Amino acid sequence: DTTLTQSPAFMSATPGDKVIISCKASQDIDDDVNWYQQKPGKAPLFIIQEASTLVPGIPPRFSGGGYGTDFTLTINNIESEDAAYYFCLQHDSFPLTFGQGTKVEIK
Amino acid sequence: EVQLLESGGGLVQPGGSLRLSCTASGLIFRNYAMNWVRQTPGKGLEWVSGISGNGISTNYADFAKGRFTISRDNSKNMLYLQMNSLRVEDAAVYFCAKDQSTYSYGYFENWGQGTLVTVSS
Repeated sequence: DTTLTQSPAFMSATPGDKVIISCKASQDIDDDVNWYQQKPGKAPLFIIQEASTLVPGIPPRFSGGGYGTDFTLTINNIESEDAAYYFCLQHDSFPLTFGQGTKVEIK
Repeated sequence: EVQLLESGGGLVQPGGSLRLSCTASGLIFRNYAMNWVRQTPGKGLEWVSGISGNGISTNYADFAKGRFTISRDNSKNMLYLQMNSLRVEDAAVYFCAKDQSTYSYGYFENWGQGTLVTVSS
């Protein structure tokens, strides 16, 4: 199984900051990573597919990058509404696996 | 608008069984693969199982193999998860999630609100 390790587990940011979340895979998974945002009490929201493609309707301050084993989710000019958990998911092989999540707090 | 509504969660004893259902609306159901994903405070999100749009292809997480069965009824726009031999560690909120196409997996465009499964004696 492919393990995804996210870091950091928690981060605190000020509105306007640039935030970078890392997701490292235990083996080469090409660009088969998707990212999800989850706010408290809500279902996850699909935000990035194929490592770097923004899902329609998601603000352009969100971006993704990476290939192989190292991936990032970047939030530019972070806003208060971006406070949430963020999860990466690999769909390169079964079983699909998620990273353990990163909680982003806005000061 | 796509809507997914899970039901069937509840309290069950270890070793017991439960059948979860997901009612889909606002889409041509057979055109999309569907999945079950669960979430616990301790383990975060875990993919449980996925099924292709025509119901022929199924896949499972290791912990679900041999105990859980995913199925669908495209005539009723319904997705199911039969869970047997339940363990304490299966306690979670179970979400159904719609994929992007018939055979894609991991592109969870739409999610239900989840149904809570509690496994306790």
